[in-house]
Amino acid sequence: DTAVSQTPKYLVTQMGNDKSIKCEQNLGHDTMYWYKQDSKKFLKIMFSYNNKELIINETVPNRFSPKSPDKAHLNLHINSLELGDSAVYFCASSQDTGQSYGYTFGSGTRLTVV
Amino acid sequence: QKEVEQNSGPLSVPEGAIASLNCTYSDRGSQSFFWYRQYSGKSPELIMSIYSNGDKEDGRFTAQLNKASQYVSLLIRDSQPSDSATYLCAVFASGGSYIPTFGRGTSLIVHP
Repeated sequence: DTAVSQTPKYLVTQMGNDKSIKCEQNLGHDTMYWYKQDSKKFLKIMFSYNNKELIINETVPNRFSPKSPDKAHLNLHINSLELGDSAVYFCASSQDTGQSYGYTFGSGTRLTVV
Repeated sequence: QKEVEQNSGPLSVPEGAIASLNCTYSDRGSQSFFWYRQYSGKSPELIMSIYSNGDKEDGRFTAQLNKASQYVSLLIRDSQPSDSATYLCAVFASGGSYIPTFGRGTSLIVHP
């Protein structure tokens, strides 16, 4: 019954590796997001997709590549992981892109790069 | 740069008291405001939204918006230890921005 589900919940990996995080929502929402939350709890937008189309692509290293096969799924692939990539990554969804819609967040993926 | 400021806290209140959490924002044209609660180690969850000046009540929560002074507040009445969490303010800038700016959150501790 989980509304926005992310896998894996924890990811520990070595520098230089490539990893993926998957996200799925069953809310019927049109818009999905990837956020990064650093150790100081600041939530920073990375990407946003609306109906499978990329609409927001913030200043993120091109080692990060999102992919949305359909509007219910949004994945994040990270190449050549660096120590500074360690953070919690949240997937979120909203009904649409308007300013009237709040977000439903997934449970997060805690990425630790060693 | 659109800024959203919150006192990081912690704000400590006794059980049963009113907790008042404040958020100021720099974009005078902002129209949409949201409050989220984030328990330690968990994801943010939406509490409520507010768009018009004044108060909006939802159970024990009241959001207050003052666009002239550029602040939005969240009041929690009859605070419970289970309300202990970080509260994040999110503000949509003017101009139809798709993405809100989140504050860094205020940590609330409700002690028995």
